[in-house]
Amino acid sequence: NAGVTQTPKFRILKIGQSMTLQCTQDMNHNYMYWYRQDPGMGLKLIYYSVGAGITDKGEVPNGYNVSRSTTEDFPLRLELAAPSQTSVYFCASKAQPGTGSGNQPQHFGDGTRLSIL
Amino acid sequence: AQSVTQLGSHVSVSEGALVLLRCNYSSSVPPYLFWYVQYPNQGLQLLLKYTSAATLVKGINGFEAEFKKSETSFHLTKPSAHMSDAAEYFCAVSEEDSSYKLIFGSGTRLLVRP
Repeated sequence: NAGVTQTPKFRILKIGQSMTLQCTQDMNHNYMYWYRQDPGMGLKLIYYSVGAGITDKGEVPNGYNVSRSTTEDFPLRLELAAPSQTSVYFCASKAQPGTGSGNQPQHFGDGTRLSIL
Repeated sequence: AQSVTQLGSHVSVSEGALVLLRCNYSSSVPPYLFWYVQYPNQGLQLLLKYTSAATLVKGINGFEAEFKKSETSFHLTKPSAHMSDAAEYFCAVSEEDSSYKLIFGSGTRLLVRP
């Protein structure tokens, strides 16, 4: 049972480069989320999706883009990497309402550690 | 907007001592509350979640949390700390809208002394 899988686990980028962080889940969850974690700051929401073809901004979306063409995949793209985007990125998914309502927990991947130099 | 406050960025206890990690939330309606644990270089793992069925919630690894509406608190406790409990702990509340996105506290790092 894979759950939420994130690739790559580690990456170093140069300023101005672009990359895509991959996230896939095998639980048939409609809801998916991208968070970034900075030391002492908890997790902040970047983007989320409530289903294939539907995405919306979170608290800190600037510098990022997402797409959701399938239920399983929710990639996060950095177009022009900046040092401020050095962080640990977590993808999460959650069962849709009607299968236990709002207190269904989010399931997290192991994260992608990204450094931009 | 909802918010979560975790008092104490670091908590240090001796092995075998009581663990108490504090979490206060702000919400205008009954909240969906969660505690997650993060071990070094890993993702977040669910410890427990609040359901309206009971104010005292039992989770994995001997942890439990008590929901107190009058105090808007959801503190995490464990009667006897183990070395393996050393990790970072996050309290979170689910947003009230249909996104169900989580609002996290800033986290508490638990250190367990031998």
